Amino acid sequence: DTGVSQNPRHKITKRGQNVTFRCDPISEHNRLYWYRQTLGQGPEFLTYFQNEAQLEKSRLLSDRFSAERPKGSFSTLEIQRTEQGDSAMYLCASSPSGGKVELFFGEGSRLTVL
Amino acid sequence: GESVGLHLPTLSVQEGDNSIINCAYSNSASDYFIWYKQESGKGPQFIIDIRSNMDKRQGQRVTVLLNKTVKHLSLQIAATQPGDSAVYFCAENITPGANSKLTFGKGITLSVRP
Repeated sequence: DTGVSQNPRHKITKRGQNVTFRCDPISEHNRLYWYRQTLGQGPEFLTYFQNEAQLEKSRLLSDRFSAERPKGSFSTLEIQRTEQGDSAMYLCASSPSGGKVELFFGEGSRLTVL
Repeated sequence: GESVGLHLPTLSVQEGDNSIINCAYSNSASDYFIWYKQESGKGPQFIIDIRSNMDKRQGQRVTVLLNKTVKHLSLQIAATQPGDSAVYFCAENITPGANSKLTFGKGITLSVRP
């Protein structure tokens, strides 16, 4: 399977706990994006990597959120001290370099904070 | 249609009919647009894209039309099938350049009646 892979697919946690999601992009893609999607809404941009460099972060990404892409391949998104408002689908996407921003999405990681 | 709260606007069509899904985008400087299809519990799936220097592009059973004068994008699906039932999002690249990313609209639910 050469698509974008995310895990875990589902995570249920108690408020205040930390969670980490992993994304493995399409291997030849050097751009990687994290989006968040809540029920009934379109995906909202969180952050973006070009290789290992994190080039942009949304204001949605509070200081409890951190994303890394240490070797320019897989990426992790960690949420510390989770809150109920963090419950959402966290989508990862990758894109090849070039003029078109054609994002290829994974199946997402659904977070439920109790 | 207009979205209200958490309820996505819905387009209901008869199987075999043509569907037209409309989207108003936000930024006249956007240079690239994509339509995505999202089925329940899955990540968005690429359908068709168009650059701002074009006004029409055709794929297999789908056509995207771009009207830059009124910032309007539409997706036409010919001979709609039950498998086309999903939520459809338009997305635009509002920041052309090195840090390009896609911004998504609210989505429209397409329901195909057998």
